[in-house]
Amino acid sequence: DGGITQSPKYLFRKEGQNVTLSCEQNLNHDAMYWYRQDPGQGLRLIYYSQIVNDFQKGDIAEGYSVSREKKESFPLTVTSAQKNPTAFYLCASTFRTGSSGNTIYFGEGSWLTVV
Amino acid sequence: AQSVTQPDIHITVSEGASLELRCNYSYGATPYLFWYVQSPGQGLQLLLKYFSGDTLVQGIKGFEAEFKRSQSSFNLRKPSVHWSDAAEYFCAVGSRFGNEKLTFGTGTRLTIIP
Repeated sequence: DGGITQSPKYLFRKEGQNVTLSCEQNLNHDAMYWYRQDPGQGLRLIYYSQIVNDFQKGDIAEGYSVSREKKESFPLTVTSAQKNPTAFYLCASTFRTGSSGNTIYFGEGSWLTVV
Repeated sequence: AQSVTQPDIHITVSEGASLELRCNYSYGATPYLFWYVQSPGQGLQLLLKYFSGDTLVQGIKGFEAEFKRSQSSFNLRKPSVHWSDAAEYFCAVGSRFGNEKLTFGTGTRLTIIP
């Protein structure tokens, strides 16, 4: 089945450690995104990538890093510099056809807890 | 900058009653507008979207939304809710300038009572 796969679903991290969240899509989408979700704050954009080997910061990029070496993969690293990393992380993707408004599809999310 | 306001944090309705969830947006031109639904601990599912044309948009699960330019609103409606509609609902606005980013509201949590 086509879709967006995020792993792991649940992740616990000790303070001071970096962790990487995986996001893979087999929809042949061009653009991929990472959002962070906190209670009462909706979704906030961390990073996005519209083509391979290129990505841009979103609204809350500090303490995060990404790579886009393959079209289908967009991993997110939560570094020790992120002060409050405990959250629900959502990966998303869409086609980029030159006209905006394409539907953005979401993965099932990853829960990160810092202990 | 584009923004979305969902003024109702939590709404409770009885099963079978009608529903309206409010969404107001701020954008310099005609926006792309979306409604997504999220069950607890899950990703987001698209309910419906407005790009252009008819301002009354039909979506999945019996939902509809109406784009009102004069009020900068895109309210979501359903004539009769079911217990399975209990979830969190997000309104989002997208740019027409090719960067494909969405700005989300803070969400409205819907509770259904028997």
